[in-house]
Amino acid sequence: NAGVMQNPRHLVRRRGQEARLRCSPMKGHSHVYWYRQLPEEGLKFMVYLQKENIIDESGMPKERFSAEFPKEGPSILRIQQVVRGDSAAYFCASSLPGLAQTGELFFGEGSRLTVL
Amino acid sequence: AQTVTQSQPEMSVQEAETVTLSCTYDTSESNYYLFWYKQPPSRQMILVIRQEAYKQQNATENRFSVNFQKAAKSFSLKISDSQLGDTAMYFCAFSLTSGSRLTFGEGTQLTVNP
Repeated sequence: NAGVMQNPRHLVRRRGQEARLRCSPMKGHSHVYWYRQLPEEGLKFMVYLQKENIIDESGMPKERFSAEFPKEGPSILRIQQVVRGDSAAYFCASSLPGLAQTGELFFGEGSRLTVL
Repeated sequence: AQTVTQSQPEMSVQEAETVTLSCTYDTSESNYYLFWYKQPPSRQMILVIRQEAYKQQNATENRFSVNFQKAAKSFSLKISDSQLGDTAMYFCAFSLTSGSRLTFGEGTQLTVNP
């Protein structure tokens, strides 16, 4: 399966713990996007990364959230000191270099974070 | 900033009938893409159909077609011969051709009844 791979699919954390979500883009895709979907809502943009570079993080909360896409390995979305409001589905998507080529994003199946 | 509005939180249709989902958007740009994504209960985001703003011809994909009205900034999705498997949340989305993100609407939950 050469699709976008996210893990874990489900993650449970207690308040104050850290959550790490991983995303491997489609083969040949070097651009990764993270979106958050709160219950009963649409997807909200968080961050757009190329390898070793954050292109647009205007949707990321200023505190506790960070993202990286290293030269080797998957992209990581890290949430420190989680709170109940962080409970959501986090979707990763990838695209060919330059969204402008087709405008299309290919999505993973999402990681569902539950904070107790 | 671009916005996408879906004014129908829920819709239902009988199997084999036709349904239209509405979407409006706001932008001052002239070059962009519009999309409809489907999110079934599995929560996987699946691209249904895509439209380039510079194309006047409405996109079609089998039973799915759009009515793209650029001047009115409207982009509706028509599903013909609805099937039970079409039951899902449908999201309208927008991206600039020079942009770095998709902007999604809040979604329309479509239920196809047998």
